Amino acid sequence: QAGLTQPPSVSKALRQTATLTCTGNSNNVGNQGAGWLQQHQGHPPKLLSYRNNDRPSGISERFSASRSGNTASLTITGLQAEDEADYYCSAWDSSLNSVVFGGGTKLTVL
Amino acid sequence: QLQLQESGPGLVKPSETLFLTCTVSGGSISTTRYYWGWIRQPPGKGLEWIGSIFYSGSTYYNPSLKSRVTISVDTSKNQFSLNLTSVTAADTAVFYCAKMTTTLYPTDSWGQGILVTVSS
Repeated sequence: QAGLTQPPSVSKALRQTATLTCTGNSNNVGNQGAGWLQQHQGHPPKLLSYRNNDRPSGISERFSASRSGNTASLTITGLQAEDEADYYCSAWDSSLNSVVFGGGTKLTVL
Repeated sequence: QLQLQESGPGLVKPSETLFLTCTVSGGSISTTRYYWGWIRQPPGKGLEWIGSIFYSGSTYYNPSLKSRVTISVDTSKNQFSLNLTSVTAADTAVFYCAKMTTTLYPTDSWGQGILVTVSS
């Protein structure tokens, strides 16, 4: 089953800015948008952004989502040690009639 | 505050059926605003959507699992359940239940997850 494409890993220095990408197609990200989740080891995923790029209550403004064509992006500014985690995107695929996830990006904060 | 809690056996034998229940507290499962979903994560791997159900019983399933999956809802108990048949070692995973939007996007409400190991 086709999913969304995310880079397996991204490394950035403390206080820098990281931009994570999620590439799909016109049946999912391009038409439906993408949601973003953060997962720390041993914990359930935590929603960072709805598909309309809005943040849930309590999520830092350092996290912002956007979309251009078939690619969604999550930008994290002022990186902190606690941002080191796995990040997943998700979308509804209208062709597959299925929720699809990206493979996840492991963010390392140096 | 809405809470979700998975329950069920942590060990299932190959070829048998995995059955898990998600109990929703702090809110009603009988809402037109959300779907309720199951998502799994094999050890060390990514997330995979299994399927979702509306309070009325309307369901959507992952096409790759559809032949083995049944999701049901019990509004009187504020619970929904997952039935996965003919399990193999490849089904070993942490299973999460989650609240989802009506367009089937994950929300900010997830259970803690339950590890289910398939082994004889």
